[in-house]
Amino acid sequence: QKEVEQNSGPLSVPEGAIASLNCTYSDRGSQSFFWYRQYSGKSPELIMSIYSNGDKEDGRFTAQLNKASQYVSLLIRDSQPSDSATYLCAVMIYNQGGKLIFGQGTELSVKP
Amino acid sequence: EAQVTQNPRYLITVTGKKLTVTCSQNMNHEYMSWYRQDPGLGLRQIYYSMNVEVTDKGDVPEGYKVSRKEKRNFPLILESPSPNQTSLYFCASSHWTAGNEQFFGPGTRLTVL
Repeated sequence: QKEVEQNSGPLSVPEGAIASLNCTYSDRGSQSFFWYRQYSGKSPELIMSIYSNGDKEDGRFTAQLNKASQYVSLLIRDSQPSDSATYLCAVMIYNQGGKLIFGQGTELSVKP
Repeated sequence: EAQVTQNPRYLITVTGKKLTVTCSQNMNHEYMSWYRQDPGLGLRQIYYSMNVEVTDKGDVPEGYKVSRKEKRNFPLILESPSPNQTSLYFCASSHWTAGNEQFFGPGTRLTVL
């Protein structure tokens, strides 16, 4: 089992819809969780970070964390074509000395 | 401007010819890290450093070396590159806090022939 798993997609949603991206992780020592967005040929950029169970909202983005289920998700409301990118889930494992593990990424396509 | 810089941005080399990719940050970050990104495999951590003179292996350290003699610089060294090290490489840095929200450099595309 991979340490951090995401559906590779592509996930296609119409403009204005809610895009839901999911991520599961295997190490219960994981303490910090991140969502990065990466446009083709560019470097990843941080969208959201979440550290405790529950929801965290920032504009159109909501991150959800459930440590009992080892599950973190990202919701994008009112999706725009400019949101089309690959979304990377990342997990910081402090009991492994600060190793950061990324999922494979989910490709999102928002159709006008 | 706060940033992470990498040089070179593109490099084509031959098997066995030692090379160094430089990484520098101007944000006084403690934590620095190198990743490689390959199609279908995502971002994989090569090495990371939590502070000066402190480095540790990530998931794919074989064939790479790093050093952290100064806080701002974290070079990646390939002593004897091989074709399976052809990849897109990213350097990243962050403050070593519970957040550890990483800032990425622009990437270095390396081809080893």
